[in-house]
Amino acid sequence: DSGVTQTPKHLITATGQRVTLRCSPRSGDLSVYWYQQSLDQGLQFLIQYYNGEERAKGNILERFSAQQFPDLHSELNLSSLELGDSALYFCASSPTTGEVKNEQFFGPGTRLTVL
Amino acid sequence: DAKTTQPTSMDCAEGRAANLPCNHSTISGNEYVYWYRQIHSQGPQYIIHGLKNNETNEMASLIITEDRKSSTLILPHATLRDTAVYYCIVRVAYNTDKLIFGTGTRLQVFP
Repeated sequence: DSGVTQTPKHLITATGQRVTLRCSPRSGDLSVYWYQQSLDQGLQFLIQYYNGEERAKGNILERFSAQQFPDLHSELNLSSLELGDSALYFCASSPTTGEVKNEQFFGPGTRLTVL
Repeated sequence: DAKTTQPTSMDCAEGRAANLPCNHSTISGNEYVYWYRQIHSQGPQYIIHGLKNNETNEMASLIITEDRKSSTLILPHATLRDTAVYYCIVRVAYNTDKLIFGTGTRLQVFP
């Protein structure tokens, strides 16, 4: 158990819909990351927040957005869903930013299925 | 970030050492080598990292060649629970936290 929690574990929805994935980082961790893992693209970095501010952006689609709240939990919003958005979405957290080790602790993931 | 190349899959007998190679021939002087693994569909797990010296922790050892163009992750006594996909990642530690995962090596430990 990494200490990172993600809800829901599974989500099934239809094309065109909007969903919100939630992540609670480990206690005390200030950085939160979102990754997407699909069969054809592998594990891809989407976005990072540090203490409420966006820190880095990866290949995140414009239909996707995220935020980190004052209590440090984070939400990933996916809208206008397409079949290709079906994937495992991981949240990770780390204590800080810009350090050599900055080990990232991954949650169990949310499996999104778009029908 | 430098690109990494890893074998697609490897087998290892339980109790033997598993040596997982990684090629990162375009690595720059300020890039570190990190290893993570992903067991089945769980979230990836950090294993070890290094710059140029060999490193060891309770999970594994990391051997980096003198020219830093390749490295080897060593699991000294592989167990069935070590069956996973192992990812070698290079990044400039102080510049970015994001992890760029390649395709990794699928290690199968057999009894």
